[in-house]
Amino acid sequence: DIQMTQSPSTLSASLGDRVTITCRASQSISSWLAWYQQRPGEAPKLLIYKASRLESGVPSRFSGSGSGAEFTLTISRLQPDDFATYYCQQYDTYPSTFGQGTKLEIK
Amino acid sequence: EVQLVESGGGLVQPGGSLRLSCAVSEFSFSSYAMAWVRQAPGKGLVWVSTITSAGGSTYFADSVKGRFTISRDNSKNTLYLQMNSLTADDTAVYYCARSGKGTGPFDFRGQGTLVTVSS
Repeated sequence: DIQMTQSPSTLSASLGDRVTITCRASQSISSWLAWYQQRPGEAPKLLIYKASRLESGVPSRFSGSGSGAEFTLTISRLQPDDFATYYCQQYDTYPSTFGQGTKLEIK
Repeated sequence: EVQLVESGGGLVQPGGSLRLSCAVSEFSFSSYAMAWVRQAPGKGLVWVSTITSAGGSTYFADSVKGRFTISRDNSKNTLYLQMNSLTADDTAVYYCARSGKGTGPFDFRGQGTLVTVSS
């Protein structure tokens, strides 16, 4: 199975900050990488797919980059709704696997 | 607006069975692969199973293979997950999701249904 490792596990930031979360795959997954946001008590929400494509309706302050085995999610100008947990997911092959999550907290 | 509504969760004893349903609306159900993803309390997301758009192929995580069955009724716009031989490790919120590629990405629209396995 492909292992997905996110860093950091927890990230403290302030409103208006720019933050970056990294996701590494244990082998190349081309660009088959998605990012999700999950707020407490809610279902995950798809933010980015195919490494860099923004899902419809997602604010442009979210961006994704990378290919192969290393990927990043960047959030520019943090807003109150952005404080949540973020997951990456590889969907290159079965079993699809998720990273362990990055909790974005208010500093 | 696309809707996915999960149901069927509840409290079940170890070794018991449960059938989850996911009723969908406002999109062409038969055009999408569908998946189940679960999340144990306080833990991360784990893919459980996927079924292709016509139901011809199914895929399972090793942890549920042989115990869970995924199916769909395209005439009823409904996805199912039959869960047998449940253990405490199966305790989780179960989300259904639509998927373009089967493996992902996953479009979650429901609130999930909680399955608790306990005596």
